[in-house]
Amino acid sequence: DVKVTQSSRYLVKRTGEKVFLECVQDMDHENMFWYRQDPGLGLRLIYFSYDVKMKEKGDIPEGYSVSREKKERFSLILESASTNQTSMYLCASSPPPVAGEKLFFGSGTQLSVL
Amino acid sequence: AQKVTQAQTEISVVEKEDVTLDCVYETRDTTYYLFWYKQPPSGELVFLIRRNSFDEQNEISGRYSWNFQKSTSSFNFTITASQVVDSAVYFCALSERNQGGKLIFGQGTELSVKP
Repeated sequence: DVKVTQSSRYLVKRTGEKVFLECVQDMDHENMFWYRQDPGLGLRLIYFSYDVKMKEKGDIPEGYSVSREKKERFSLILESASTNQTSMYLCASSPPPVAGEKLFFGSGTQLSVL
Repeated sequence: AQKVTQAQTEISVVEKEDVTLDCVYETRDTTYYLFWYKQPPSGELVFLIRRNSFDEQNEISGRYSWNFQKSTSSFNFTITASQVVDSAVYFCALSERNQGGKLIFGQGTELSVKP
């Protein structure tokens, strides 16, 4: 069964901490995405990657960075966590960057920044 | 610019009622794709359907059906004879040809089906 796995389901951090959210997929997909989900706003794209060591900014990249050292792993980094980054974070992957491909999602990480 | 609007934030129905979830989109591209995803309480988004802009045929899958109308830029989702297990947040999403697989999501509609 194909899977996108996010390392933590719930995470509580302090303001100013550096936070790493990890995502691993076992489908050999080229594309990987990070979204955040907030009530009333739906899912918004933070960063995405079409290949190892490459990254592209999404719609709301401020305050975030990403790392993709291996094809199967895509990490989201909050350099200095702030309370407005409290949210549900969803990782997704898909085959090569052809429009129309569906995304496969992980179960999400609910991050609370206190 | 691309945009997806799901005007219904929450819908509550009683089991066995039919329910329609609305989705309106905006795009300047002539080639695009529309999706519906379901997010149950477990959190993982589950793919339901994908349609491309050249195929306006309606689709039915069991109790689910989708109505795609380019004239009104809508892609509505109907659940017939709803069940408690249909309770979830439903997202409509848009992917444009030149956007390399990125999905733009609507705000989501939370459906509650009561027994």
